[in-house]
Amino acid sequence: AQTVTQSQPEMSVQEAETVTLSCTYDTSESDYYLFWYKQPPSRQMILVIRQEAYKQQNATENRFSVNFQKAAKSFSLKISDSQLGDAAMYFCAYRSGSGGSNYKLTFGKGTLLTVNP
Amino acid sequence: KAGVTQTPRYLIKTRGQQVTLSCSPISGHRSVSWYQQTPGQGLQFLFEYFSETQRNKGNFPGRFSGRQFSNSRSEMNVSTLELGDSALYLCASSLGGKTGNTIYFGEGSWLTVV
Repeated sequence: AQTVTQSQPEMSVQEAETVTLSCTYDTSESDYYLFWYKQPPSRQMILVIRQEAYKQQNATENRFSVNFQKAAKSFSLKISDSQLGDAAMYFCAYRSGSGGSNYKLTFGKGTLLTVNP
Repeated sequence: KAGVTQTPRYLIKTRGQQVTLSCSPISGHRSVSWYQQTPGQGLQFLFEYFSETQRNKGNFPGRFSGRQFSNSRSEMNVSTLELGDSALYLCASSLGGKTGNTIYFGEGSWLTVV
């Protein structure tokens, strides 16, 4: 079974600074997808960024970018120019690209990000 | 375009009762999945439906069940509620045709069992 590990329960960053959230995963599959979701106090899960395993190029979405290291099974999220609205719980998630379990997301435990003004 | 809608948003039930939660997916989405979120266990997959068929089920007891209707709306039911069932239940939808389709979440239903 696939597992996702987020080793940082909490992180803090100063407004306008850059922060990196870590995520590692364990899988024997070669076809899969990785996601970062943000969960603000409203508790709605919001997709931040996604990465297809077959793509070597790291995904970017405005101030958000990932460092995808497939061999190391590492998928970190970098938030540049942090804003107060970025404060939330961030979850790393894995989705298989094939097989019967490819319809579910496997989540890490989350990293609570605090942004200080 | 409306997002994933879950009802009710908040509810309180007594141990032993049953509860039904409803989810309306984004228009055009045929896959609906359910997740349970608790402080201790985090986010856990319950089940996923596509075109009224359950394609995948998580490791939950049989008290947890679900179904999907022809209009893609889904319901999940928990019977004989236990205190440990208190959680945020999140519904998510996607197009469902390809495994890479993005999954979008609703705001969740808060269930408190007393």
